[in-house]
Amino acid sequence: AQKITQTQPGMFVQEKEAVTLDCTYDTSDQSYGLFWYKQPSSGEMIFLIYQGSYDEQNATEGRYSLNFQKARKSANLVISASQLGDSAMYFCAMRESGGSNYKLTFGKGTLLTVNP
Amino acid sequence: ETGVTQSPTHLIKTRGQQVTLRCSSQSGHNTVSWYQQALGQGPQFIFQYYREEENGRGNFPPRFSGLQFPNYSSELNVNALELDDSALYLCASSFWGFSYEQYFGPGTRLTVT
Repeated sequence: AQKITQTQPGMFVQEKEAVTLDCTYDTSDQSYGLFWYKQPSSGEMIFLIYQGSYDEQNATEGRYSLNFQKARKSANLVISASQLGDSAMYFCAMRESGGSNYKLTFGKGTLLTVNP
Repeated sequence: ETGVTQSPTHLIKTRGQQVTLRCSSQSGHNTVSWYQQALGQGPQFIFQYYREEENGRGNFPPRFSGLQFPNYSSELNVNALELDDSALYLCASSFWGFSYEQYFGPGTRLTVT
């Protein structure tokens, strides 16, 4: 079974508008972490935001926020005030098993295009 | 603070050959993970190195092997290359015990012909 599902292969948004990228996950662990990464065409994976399974508040980092709905097993990324430089692939990822196991399981990604 | 670096940037090899990819971890990081990203897919975990030993492995055959050196840098070796090994290989470094601080390098794009 797919552990991370990103159902939107591609998304378009107008500059300065907000956009939500969807991510659902599947795990039986109680302790896990959820990540969002941005991958420009250059290939480097850029860390955006992290949410721990026990964190009660949704994570925020500047224009990025993570809409964490634990019961629904969803961890959507919200980008506010989109900029042209936000055009890239976005990956949702999960780390299972608390402690120091750094294995990340990634979704297939969503290609975001910001239009001027 | 020095970021994660990888070499080479691009590489073209022939089926059946062997390849070595290199990764220098970010300053202060002692753990290195390797991922394979095929075109149009998300990265897949290959393995992780900590204290110069393999610590966890994904669903990859033994012809994928690695090393970690005392300075925490790492190598990924792939023997008997197959066409399906063509991918972007990403290295990520972190400090053991801080699981959310995992930083990726720019990757090595391997093409097998």
